[in-house]
Amino acid sequence: QKEVEQDPGPLSVPEGAIVSLNCTYSNSAFQYFMWYRQYSRKGPELLMYTYSSGNKEDGRFTAQVDKSSKYISLFIRDSQPSDSATYLCAPRDGGFKTIFGAGTRLFVKA
Amino acid sequence: KAGVTQTPRYLIKTRGQQVTLSCSPISGHRSVSWYQQTPGQGLQFLFEYFSETQRNKGNFPGRFSGRQFSNSRSEMNVSTLELGDSALYLCASSPEAVPHQYFGPGTRLLVL
Repeated sequence: QKEVEQDPGPLSVPEGAIVSLNCTYSNSAFQYFMWYRQYSRKGPELLMYTYSSGNKEDGRFTAQVDKSSKYISLFIRDSQPSDSATYLCAPRDGGFKTIFGAGTRLFVKA
Repeated sequence: KAGVTQTPRYLIKTRGQQVTLSCSPISGHRSVSWYQQTPGQGLQFLFEYFSETQRNKGNFPGRFSGRQFSNSRSEMNVSTLELGDSALYLCASSPEAVPHQYFGPGTRLLVL
């Protein structure tokens, strides 16, 4: 079993839809939970991160972590064609270990 | 500030050869990590360097090695290349006391 499980998609939605991207993990030592976005032929870029359980909102993006169920979510409101990319969840423990999910490919159709 | 830069951006090698990839981190960042990204395996951690010392290592064979210089620039080397080494190699740097990283554009390596 992988430490981080993420559905690779692809996920195709119409412009303006609410998108829900999810990961599950098995390592209870994870404390920080990052979401990266990767456009084609580019390196990943940080979208946002949370510490421990709870929600964090940044514009159209909301990250949610439920440590009791080991479940990580990213919600995108009013999705735009420019949001079309691969989204990677990346939990990290208190040391230096970051594990990346497989990434979910998202397509937002105009 | 300039972002993380990686050279070369593209590389074609044949089996058995060796390759060296270079990474310049963001100014002031002392931690540099290397990742291999393939469609089948996703992003896999190779190793991390901090102040010229390898601080963390992933589960890759000894053919994969790296080093970091006093100016924080880093190189990774792959010896005796195999077809399965074809991948996007990403370098990431981070400042101290933050959990996230800043990635470069990657070096796309094709082994024939």
